[in-house]
This record gives sequence, C-alpha cells and structure tokens, in this order.
Amino acid sequence: GQNIDQPTEMTATEGAIVQINCTYQTSGFNGLFWYQQHAGEAPTFLSYNVLDGLEEKGRFSSFLSRSKGYSYLLLKELQMKDSASYLCAGMDSNYQLIWGAGTKLIIKP
Amino acid sequence: GAVVSQHPSWVICKSGTSVKIECRSLDFQATTMFWYRQFPKQSLMLMATSNEGSKATYEQGVEKDKFLINHASLTLSTLTVTSAHPEDSSFYICSARLPEGTYEQYFGPGTRLTVT
Repeated sequence: GQNIDQPTEMTATEGAIVQINCTYQTSGFNGLFWYQQHAGEAPTFLSYNVLDGLEEKGRFSSFLSRSKGYSYLLLKELQMKDSASYLCAGMDSNYQLIWGAGTKLIIKP
Repeated sequence: GAVVSQHPSWVICKSGTSVKIECRSLDFQATTMFWYRQFPKQSLMLMATSNEGSKATYEQGVEKDKFLINHASLTLSTLTVTSAHPEDSSFYICSARLPEGTYEQYFGPGTRLTVT
C-alpha cells in the first residue's frame, strides 16, 4: 500500500534549526512535496523534489533520497511565524498526491 | 501567479439543505482540480478529482450523490453538499493543478461548513 510517515509534533526554539523527516511508500514515484499549513488556513506550497539531493530556498531546504524513500524539510533561523503544520506528500505514478498526517511544529521564544 | 480562490469562506446551513462551494483558478487554466476535506487536527482527505468536461473521480467511501462535483470550465469547479447533516461539518479545501511542469497543486483558502 501507499503510506507517508512523519512525526506528529516537534518543538524548537526561535532562531534555531529544525529538521522534519518524512518516509514514503508510493506506487511509482513522481516527486515529493512539502506544504505549510497554518491553523485554520489552506496549505501553501513550499518545495518539490524529484531528484536526489538538497534543494535550498531561502531559510527552507528540502532533501530527497529516492533509494531510501526518505525526505526532510530543514528550517533555519526559526521565526515564531514558522509555527504551523508541515505536510509531506508523495506523488504516485498516477500523479496523485499521497498525504502524510502532518507535523505540527511549535516554536518557543 | 497560481492563485486559487474559493467561495464562500464560511457558511452555516440547516440540516437537510444544500450548499454549493465554488473553486476558481484566477490566473491559470486548471484541467484538474481536487476537493479535500479536513477535520480538526487531521490531515487532508481527498474526496474527489475533478477533470474539466468529464465526470469527477470519487475516492472510496465518498458518496457521489451527496457530494456533487461539476467542473464546467477550465477555471471553475463546484462542490455541492446535498442534504447536509451535522456530520458534514468540516473544512473543505479545493486545489488546482498546473497543467504542466511539476504538477504541483495550489490550494484555495478553504470553506468552513457548519451544519446545524
């Protein structure tokens, strides 16, 4: 079956770095997405990886290892506004997104 | 670019009535749109995939006669919740997929439905 696993909740300190891990199993693979979702709002797109390696975009970076079925989202210089849920989603061979349950990130001052 | 709007943003209705939610891609043509629902503190649950000019594809367990989807144009899809019940109260979110490239989805702001 298809499955996305990520931690339920993480806590980090303002100004620090946090890494949110995601492991995936999909029928075929057409890429891995990360979305940010603030409470009561819709998700917003953060990153897309389809090749192995690290993609950097400002304070956020995303890494993919296809052989390990593994990805992580790295957030640097954490700000209070980064408190949100982070959703990992794998795209299968039908270009359908398989969603993880999301990781709630709590930032403390 | 890639802006998706959704209307209404919130709605309260009585049991037994029907509610229509609109999803529009404002600056691109979306041949495919998706409808999700999300309960508090849970992840997104895909309800159906809507393709312009054809019938929607519903996920297992989603009643097609209760959740009517119409994708009449390349920029508009509608979800109608028919004969709404309190258990239909949820956050409904649509997304539109870019027609080419990475196939990333852009989400509307969501509609919070409360059925009394």
